[in-house]
Amino acid sequence: NAGVTQTPKFQVLKTGQSMTLQCAQDMNHEYMSWYRQDPGMGLRLIHYSVGAGITDQGEVPNGYNVSRSTTEDFPLRLLSAAPSQTSVYFCASGRFDDEQFFGPGTRLTVL
Amino acid sequence: SQELEQSPQSLIVQEGKNLTINCTSSKTLYGLYWYKQKYGEGLIFLMMLQKGGEEKSHEKITAKLDEKKQQSSLHITASQPSHAGIYLCGADMESGGSNYKLTFGKGTLLTVNP
Repeated sequence: NAGVTQTPKFQVLKTGQSMTLQCAQDMNHEYMSWYRQDPGMGLRLIHYSVGAGITDQGEVPNGYNVSRSTTEDFPLRLLSAAPSQTSVYFCASGRFDDEQFFGPGTRLTVL
Repeated sequence: SQELEQSPQSLIVQEGKNLTINCTSSKTLYGLYWYKQKYGEGLIFLMMLQKGGEEKSHEKITAKLDEKKQQSSLHITASQPSHAGIYLCGADMESGGSNYKLTFGKGTLLTVNP
């Protein structure tokens, strides 16, 4: 199993550009989540999904969209990048009442 | 105020010393997850605690959940340089299980000097 994979590993965007952060898991997990990690803030939940076709907002959803058309994939879209979205993004997947597996992260810089 | 407080924020110990990191919640804990993170890398799962009074150990790391205090502690015995990193606690604060939307503390940076 590859576990949770995220692409790209690094990305630099200009303000106003859009992009999609990819997340995939091969463990047939029903739950998937996106977090962002900022210095001094810890990890904060952006969006999550409890199954294909079901998504919901977390603590900091503004400026981000998600969809879950398959069990394996959970992409995160930045609609119009802003410097405030400079962060490290982590995708996680898991099952009910079990550990959440985290991907290696995507380091995003918005200029 | 922060829903999940970790203390201390940073810790420097000599190799071989014991240490404890605490994670205190302002809400009821339905699950508590400990992770370790090396700088610039992803999160490595350490332990999951779900029941009051539960205690789990793996190698030299022990984690406990105090239901009354809404607190968890992570204890490392005879620390080694390989224990260095950022320790994060993540809490499930909803009954019925919602481990897909954890609330995290800000982390504890551990440095172990040889």
